[in-house]
Amino acid sequence: AAGVIQSPRHLIKEKRETATLKCYPIPRHDTVYWYQQGPGQDPQFLISFYEKMQSDKGSIPDRFSAQQFSDYHSELNMSSLELGDSALYFCASSATGDTEAFFGQGTRLTVV
Amino acid sequence: AQTVTQSQPEMSVQEAETVTLSCTYDTSESNYYLFWYKQPPSRQMILVIRQEAYKQQNATENRFSVNFQKAAKSFSLKISDSQLGDTAMYFCAFMIRNAGNMLTFGGGTRLMVKP
Repeated sequence: AAGVIQSPRHLIKEKRETATLKCYPIPRHDTVYWYQQGPGQDPQFLISFYEKMQSDKGSIPDRFSAQQFSDYHSELNMSSLELGDSALYFCASSATGDTEAFFGQGTRLTVV
Repeated sequence: AQTVTQSQPEMSVQEAETVTLSCTYDTSESNYYLFWYKQPPSRQMILVIRQEAYKQQNATENRFSVNFQKAAKSFSLKISDSQLGDTAMYFCAFMIRNAGNMLTFGGGTRLMVKP
């Protein structure tokens, strides 16, 4: 069965650079969530989209932005990267009416 | 705001034995779901089991079962016949139904299954 695809799997950036993370949800899933998991921490909700519109916003820094495109894939754009942005970034998707969120394998971002 | 607390940072269990992971939560909501997610060394987040708050019957999935005590706001996970492949980080998570469906996670419990 198709799963949530995230790319890239690993990314190394320098401070003050920008990064773009991509997420391809499971086919027919209309909701996408982004989570950030710092080293040794639990995942924190960043932002979500439903039917290409922003649905909810969590602890997402103003330096980050995201969108969901017509094919339902989503991108998380991160600018002016800081060392503290180093984390595992998860994307998850779900279908309308389903409480189960399926997670991708994550993108490990390292800021040096 | 909702909070989820896992008071056991680390636990270990012998293969084939039973272990229980604890989770408590705090909310004023009445329509919510609780989950246990497993994160093995691969870092993939995998749903283990979920419980609907309005259902009194405890959820079970093969070797995994929960003890849901709504009044006490407690949601523990019991793993029976532990296997080496159960070694992972386990996160308890909370979701308010129909309010965005985002997850609030606890701090996690690292479980080591010993041969």
